[in-house]
Amino acid sequence: DVKVTQSSRYLVKRTGEKVFLECVQDMDHENMFWYRQDPGLGLRLIYFSYDVKMKEKGDIPEGYSVSREKKERFSLILESASTNQTSMYLCASRLAQGDYSNQPQHFGDGTRLSIL
Amino acid sequence: AQKVTQAQTEISVVEKEDVTLDCVYETRDTTYYLFWYKQPPSGELVFLIRRNSFDEQNEISGRYSWNFQKSTSSFNFTITASQVVDSAVYFCALSEGTGGSYIPTFGRGTSLIVHP
Repeated sequence: DVKVTQSSRYLVKRTGEKVFLECVQDMDHENMFWYRQDPGLGLRLIYFSYDVKMKEKGDIPEGYSVSREKKERFSLILESASTNQTSMYLCASRLAQGDYSNQPQHFGDGTRLSIL
Repeated sequence: AQKVTQAQTEISVVEKEDVTLDCVYETRDTTYYLFWYKQPPSGELVFLIRRNSFDEQNEISGRYSWNFQKSTSSFNFTITASQVVDSAVYFCALSEGTGGSYIPTFGRGTSLIVHP
């Protein structure tokens, strides 16, 4: 079974802090994703990585950056946390094989981040 | 551009009732893939099913069934004889095939509450 592990289930940080959310997958998947989930808004894509050192902005990248130095790890960085970044953050991975848009995503348990 | 609409924000039923979750999609691509995911209160999205655009056969898995109709651009999900454990948020998603966007688009989700 694919395992996607997010470093924290709950995290509380202060406004202006630099925040790192870590995601590790154990199945050698090429694609990795970061989403935020807010009530009534569903899942919104922050960043997407096709493979190591590759990244693409999603729908709401402002205030965030990412790092993919190793295939198994995809980090989301809040450069200067603000209260409007309080949310649930979900990481996912996907195998890139053939027409890989037919591959399902595998999700972590999520990190509930509160910015005070 | 691809789009997924889940018009039902929340559905509340009593145990043993049948319930259908609606999903309507838009895409210009002729090759695409549709997915359903379940997000229980624990937070992790779990993949339930994938359907490709060339396969309109309906599928049944235990109490779950899916009805894919290209004519109405719908991919609806029915739970028969619902149980409390079915309480979750359900997401429908769309990925376009070759030539389209490889990045999945999610609907906003339908929260299903099953009362004992």
